[in-house]
Amino acid sequence: ETGVTQTPRHLVMGMTNKKSLKCEQHLGHNAMYWYKQSAKKPLELMFVYSLEERVENNSVPSRFSPECPNSSHLFLHLHTLQPEDSALYLCASSPSFGTASNQPQHFGDGTRLSIL
Amino acid sequence: GQSLEQPSEVTAVEGAIVQINCTYQTSGFYGLSWYQQHDGGAPTFLSYNALDGLEETGRFSSFLSRSDSYGYLLLQELQMKDSASYFCAVKWEGSQGNLIFGKGTKLSVKP
Repeated sequence: ETGVTQTPRHLVMGMTNKKSLKCEQHLGHNAMYWYKQSAKKPLELMFVYSLEERVENNSVPSRFSPECPNSSHLFLHLHTLQPEDSALYLCASSPSFGTASNQPQHFGDGTRLSIL
Repeated sequence: GQSLEQPSEVTAVEGAIVQINCTYQTSGFYGLSWYQQHDGGAPTFLSYNALDGLEETGRFSSFLSRSDSYGYLLLQELQMKDSASYFCAVKWEGSQGNLIFGKGTKLSVKP
């Protein structure tokens, strides 16, 4: 148990569907992250929220839309996805955001997304 | 820009010692982290080095040389359960404190 729970674990959707990924952290952390993990590629940071405010958007296509209603919950809304969006989507949290010396990130098990 | 290099795969036998290297090119480096990820599982934090030297935590140690832009993860007394992917990640001033991950090293421990 990492203290970060993601649902669903697996998702298959068509390119025209709309779905949402959910992340919940029980660690009292103030920063939350979405990453994309594809085979043979580094983890790609997608979005960062600190104290429920978005602080980073790494040129992610608009078909991905994050939402952070409170410091414990993070959503990733998906619509009109492409086959290349098939990947493992990981949520993480850390005590705070910034350059503080050691802010280990705690990851969830991820959602394995397949786009048909 | 920034880049990290680590070997894609390493194989070792149970009981052995293995070293996974990571070289980085960044400006304004803050620190080097290591994460472990088993197949189908979540990445988990192993260590963080901000200063030169060796940090030891049980069977795992992590080393950093800022002058050489180089670090490594040392795993001793290898066990089958150590078979996993290991990622180095850097914090640098251009990333506003975010982690930039390497592509990972897949470690296979054989009996």
